[in-house]
Amino acid sequence: QKEVEQNSGPLSVPEGAIASLNCTYSDRGSQSFFWYRQYSGKSPELIMSIYSNGDKEDGRFTAQLNKASQYVSLLIRDSQPSDSATYLCAVTGGYQKVTFGTGTKLQVIP
Amino acid sequence: DGGITQSPKYLFRKEGQNVTLSCEQNLNHDAMYWYRQDPGQGLRLIYYSQIVNDFQKGDIAEGYSVSREKKESFPLTVTSAQKNPTAFYLCASSKVGQGNIQHFGDGTRLSIL
Repeated sequence: QKEVEQNSGPLSVPEGAIASLNCTYSDRGSQSFFWYRQYSGKSPELIMSIYSNGDKEDGRFTAQLNKASQYVSLLIRDSQPSDSATYLCAVTGGYQKVTFGTGTKLQVIP
Repeated sequence: DGGITQSPKYLFRKEGQNVTLSCEQNLNHDAMYWYRQDPGQGLRLIYYSQIVNDFQKGDIAEGYSVSREKKESFPLTVTSAQKNPTAFYLCASSKVGQGNIQHFGDGTRLSIL
């Protein structure tokens, strides 16, 4: 079982729709959870961080964390073509080690 | 401006050659990381360091070596023992204790001649 799992996609959504990206993790002791966006050929950039159960909203982005189900998600409202990228889920576990998922490719269709 | 500088942007390695990738940060971060990314894949941790003169192996350390003699610098050497070095290499840094939010450099693309 992979430590951090994501559906590789591509996930295609029409412009203006809500994109829903999901991630599961195996280490119950994980404490910190992140979503990074990576454009092709570029380095990842932080979109959201979440540390406690529930929802965290920042503009068009909402991160959701459910530690009991070991599940973290990212919702993107009013999706724009500029949101087309690969979204990486990252989890911090023991010894401050950060583990990344393989990423979900999002395509927003104009 | 504070940030992370990786050099070179592109690097070519001959068979049997060791090459060193540079990573420098002026963010005053304690922790530094090296990741490898293959096409269509996520990031895999090679080495990380939380303090000067100390570092730990990540998931794919074989064929790589690092040093952390200064807080600002964390160079990665890709040795000849790494038989498939072609990849995108990313260096990151973070403050210890802030959930390890990773700040990335622009990366180095390594290819075999």
